[in-house]
Amino acid sequence: AQSVTQPDIHITVSEGASLELRCNYSYGATPYLFWYVQSPGQGLQLLLKYFSGDTLVQGIKGFEAEFKRSQSSFNLRKPSVHWSDAAEYFCAVGGNGAAGNKLTFGGGTRVLVKP
Amino acid sequence: DAGVIQSPRHEVTEMGQEVTLRCKPISGHDYLFWYRQTMMRGLELLIYFNNNVPIDDSGMPEDRFSAKMPNASFSTLKIQPSEPRDSAVYFCASSRSGSSYNEQFFGPGTRLTVL
Repeated sequence: AQSVTQPDIHITVSEGASLELRCNYSYGATPYLFWYVQSPGQGLQLLLKYFSGDTLVQGIKGFEAEFKRSQSSFNLRKPSVHWSDAAEYFCAVGGNGAAGNKLTFGGGTRVLVKP
Repeated sequence: DAGVIQSPRHEVTEMGQEVTLRCKPISGHDYLFWYRQTMMRGLELLIYFNNNVPIDDSGMPEDRFSAKMPNASFSTLKIQPSEPRDSAVYFCASSRSGSSYNEQFFGPGTRLTVL
């Protein structure tokens, strides 16, 4: 069975500081990996995605994520956080095959940005 | 593209009433997903369809919940009778099989309050 763990429920970071959000997954085959962001009162927006190729992927809003197969991780990073990055972030895993386009989401990490 | 469209955006109803949530997926997408989001349980997959056929409804909480997809451009999630514990944000998402990443595109959600 596939699963996603986001160990940090809340993270507080100062504006301008770097941010790293952790994501560990369990999946029996080559995974499709995603990071979504949800601003207050909004739906989920895709930040970035990975399936194959370069293990460091760039996304929107200055975010990047690194796939590490040996650690079953797909951590999200941003070098310098802006106040508008305050939101909830979800990691998700999916794949092809019998499960089709179904994704499994982690519990989310809520990011608070201090001025 | 207009994205995934959900209506209504907000719904307030009284316990025992029937509630119908609506979703229009992105044109050309053959997968449709219904999620529920609460503070306590996070983001839960309720049911998903492929080519208008329900594939997995194991996440539907109980018989009070039902979902239909009469055609490729419309789906409903119905709760009858509604209860206060059904209060949540309900998201619809769609995706296209055969795309590179099977990413899901989310609608803005329907915030349901059952009094």
